[in-house]
Amino acid sequence: DTAVSQTPKYLVTQMGNDKSIKCEQNLGHDTMYWYKQDSKKFLKIMFSYNNKELIINETVPNRFSPKSPDKAHLNLHINSLELGDSAVYFCASSQAFGEQFFGPGTRLTVL
Amino acid sequence: KNEVEQSPQNLTAQEGEFITINCSYSVGISALHWLQQHPGGGIVSLFMLSSGKKKHGRLIATINIQEKHSSLHITASHPRDSAVYICAVDGNQFYFGTGTSLTVIP
Repeated sequence: DTAVSQTPKYLVTQMGNDKSIKCEQNLGHDTMYWYKQDSKKFLKIMFSYNNKELIINETVPNRFSPKSPDKAHLNLHINSLELGDSAVYFCASSQAFGEQFFGPGTRLTVL
Repeated sequence: KNEVEQSPQNLTAQEGEFITINCSYSVGISALHWLQQHPGGGIVSLFMLSSGKKKHGRLIATINIQEKHSSLHITASHPRDSAVYICAVDGNQFYFGTGTSLTVIP
């Protein structure tokens, strides 16, 4: 049983397109996160979502929007994709702001 | 300057050696995390700590809040410990170190 799952694992798309990455956790956690890992392997938090409170990293462009249909899901929508959006995106979850469990990552390539 | 600094950036050790990875941070924090990223890319949380010391098997993590410093120790290192170890702190937002790439040679 996968604790935190992401789909798709790989996503290749053209500049200007709109795409979504899905994240689901079956741990019963109440907090979920999205992270971006760039080509230099540097991780940066994008969003955290806890009990319907969204905390946004102010450096994230507003082309990125998280959407949570329920506590077990936090999907990432990206509009008007740019070359610089190419990265690996990780979803994670935790109970409150405790230990985090990470998804396997989604490698996004924008051509 | 990055809010979280790790050293060393790269580390090569012989199997069985005792390994220390250091993390210093410059912001006020509620907790510090040590993460392991496998060569395949998956990320695993090793420790979350806000004071003192924690131990899981051959891994030990310590934190000194006054000095804003944490260390991750690996005793009796093994080739399967080869990975990138990342320090992250939970301040007013989450900050990550640049990681320490560890290679353990048989």
